[in-house]
Amino acid sequence: NAGVMQNPRHLVRRRGQEARLRCSPMKGHSHVYWYRQLPEEGLKFMVYLQKENIIDESGMPKERFSAEFPKEGPSILRIQQVVRGDSAAYFCASSLTSGSSPYEQYFGPGTRLTVT
Amino acid sequence: GEDVEQSLFLSVREGDSSVINCTYTDSSSTYLYWYKQEPGAGLQLLTYIFSNMDMKQDQRLTVLLNKKDKHLSLRIADTQTGDSAIYFCAEPAGNQFYFGTGTSLTVIP
Repeated sequence: NAGVMQNPRHLVRRRGQEARLRCSPMKGHSHVYWYRQLPEEGLKFMVYLQKENIIDESGMPKERFSAEFPKEGPSILRIQQVVRGDSAAYFCASSLTSGSSPYEQYFGPGTRLTVT
Repeated sequence: GEDVEQSLFLSVREGDSSVINCTYTDSSSTYLYWYKQEPGAGLQLLTYIFSNMDMKQDQRLTVLLNKKDKHLSLRIADTQTGDSAIYFCAEPAGNQFYFGTGTSLTVIP
């Protein structure tokens, strides 16, 4: 059973370009979470999605960032008009369930975005 | 949002015990988690503890929870060089996990 897959692993973009980060959850998982890790900081929640629905986007910047999890295919985190401050590691996690009972979020290896 | 705090660095000698500490703010969390991040990798769940427990042991790992002080610790017995990594405590709240800043553990041979 393959784990959470993210691609690309490393992405370099110039200021003003668009960045598209992809995440394929573990087989059978319908809950997807995106986190951002700035240098020497912990992970910060961005968005939680289920198939075709954004459930909680309270951690997403209001502008330039969007996320989707279509019925078919991976979840996409899209950053438009990137700026240097967007340079970070972006992690995707998936889970089988969600809520208050113990549930594990399985993390992908991350995409390291560098904006030049 | 919730505030989860950890000290940033810890160095121990191989074979000694490591103790990584964490304080959290949300007393309603049902479970608390410890994750490990090796260089260039994602996070791997190490263990979790139910909030009604004081202690949980899993092989070389011991988790202690002081709910009154909102203090969580992870003890690694007989620390090995392969334990060198960043360790995050995490507190779930709603749909997300709140992570501490991570403690970078260095094991000296």
